[in-house]
Amino acid sequence: DTAVSQTPKYLVTQMGNDKSIKCEQNLGHDTMYWYKQDSKKFLKIMFSYNNKELIINETVPNRFSPKSPDKAHLNLHINSLELGDSAVYFCASSQELPGGTGELFFGEGSRLTVL
Amino acid sequence: DQQVKQNSPSLSVQEGRISILNCDYTNSMFDYFLWYKKYPAEGPTFLISISSIKDKNEDGRFTVFLNKSAKHLSLHIVPSQPGDSAVYFCAASEGMTTDSWGKLQFGAGTQVVVTP
Repeated sequence: DTAVSQTPKYLVTQMGNDKSIKCEQNLGHDTMYWYKQDSKKFLKIMFSYNNKELIINETVPNRFSPKSPDKAHLNLHINSLELGDSAVYFCASSQELPGGTGELFFGEGSRLTVL
Repeated sequence: DQQVKQNSPSLSVQEGRISILNCDYTNSMFDYFLWYKKYPAEGPTFLISISSIKDKNEDGRFTVFLNKSAKHLSLHIVPSQPGDSAVYFCAASEGMTTDSWGKLQFGAGTQVVVTP
């Protein structure tokens, strides 16, 4: 019974295509995130949503558009994919204090390869 | 510009001995620090954290030490077990406000290998 689940786990596509990655959490958390792990293995935050409201929007090209239909889901849509978008994308969720411990719970990651 | 640095990409330790992982940071606004563990093809999982008001936090075999003046923290695992073989990420946050919570700055990770 996965707490934070992402689909698909692997995605191979051509440059210029549009693709989406879906994320769902069943932890009842208020906040969800997208992190990107690049080729140098650094994990960097892209977006966060709190109760469907965008909170953090780092310097990410506007080809990336997150969508949160409800607080349990945060999807990532990427338009006009480029080679540099190849990475592992991690979804995460957390419950802020005082109701939770604040730690992030990560999904298993979605490996995107752009050819 | 990496604000969290793990200068040792790998560490090999014998089972039963102590593993010491180091992490340095440059941002003096960081006040909450976490360690995550990651197995291949899995997401990072939370291990232990420490607030800047403390200098030590312990949870079973895992202890995190924080030296604010040196902007340095370390994770001690004792005794090390084969199941501890994983990549360990150090992460830091500027605080617990809504717009910064979860905005973690991660280090590049240290691959730990525990040999029998």
